[in-house]
Amino acid sequence: AQSVTQLGSHVSVSEGALVLLRCNYSSSVPPYLFWYVQYPNQGLQLLLKYTSAATLVKGINGFEAEFKKSETSFHLTKPSAHMSDAAEYFCAVTKGNYGQNFVFGPGTRLSVLP
Amino acid sequence: KAGVTQTPRYLIKTRGQQVTLSCSPISGHRSVSWYQQTPGQGLQFLFEYFSETQRNKGNFPGRFSGRQFSNSRSEMNVSTLELGDSALYLCASSLDGDFSNSPLHFGNGTRLTVT
Repeated sequence: AQSVTQLGSHVSVSEGALVLLRCNYSSSVPPYLFWYVQYPNQGLQLLLKYTSAATLVKGINGFEAEFKKSETSFHLTKPSAHMSDAAEYFCAVTKGNYGQNFVFGPGTRLSVLP
Repeated sequence: KAGVTQTPRYLIKTRGQQVTLSCSPISGHRSVSWYQQTPGQGLQFLFEYFSETQRNKGNFPGRFSGRQFSNSRSEMNVSTLELGDSALYLCASSLDGDFSNSPLHFGNGTRLTVT
């Protein structure tokens, strides 16, 4: 069975500071991994995905994530936080085959302080 | 290209009633998945449809059902509503469910409140 843990339900950073959101997964097969962002009263928007190509993945809005198989991690980073980054972030894992579902982590709420 | 459209955005129902939620996927997408989002349980998978057939199902009671039409539009139905069914219901579409090529694209959800 697949599962995802996200360390820290709430992370606060100052504007301009580094953003680091942690994601660890367990999967019985090589996984596909994703980060999504959710703004209030909206659905989830895809930030980036890892599908067994490059281990360092660049996404939208300046975010990137690195797949580390030895650590079973897929942490999300951004060098400099912007006020507009305040939202909830979800890490998800799937086997990727047809008919599989995404398993989402519990989410991390990011606050950006002025 | 239009995104995933869910209607209605908000619903208020009474315990015991039933409700139908609608989802129109991105044009050309044939796989539609439904998720329930609550503060306590997070995002939980309900079911996935492809070519009018349910291909995968989560761990929800039979009161939760869905269907997909030939144009890929999907509906989900919840019968005999309970207070615990209050949630944001999210629909997501993918080209064919091969997430290596086509990840899930989500709609803005339907917020259901059961009183």
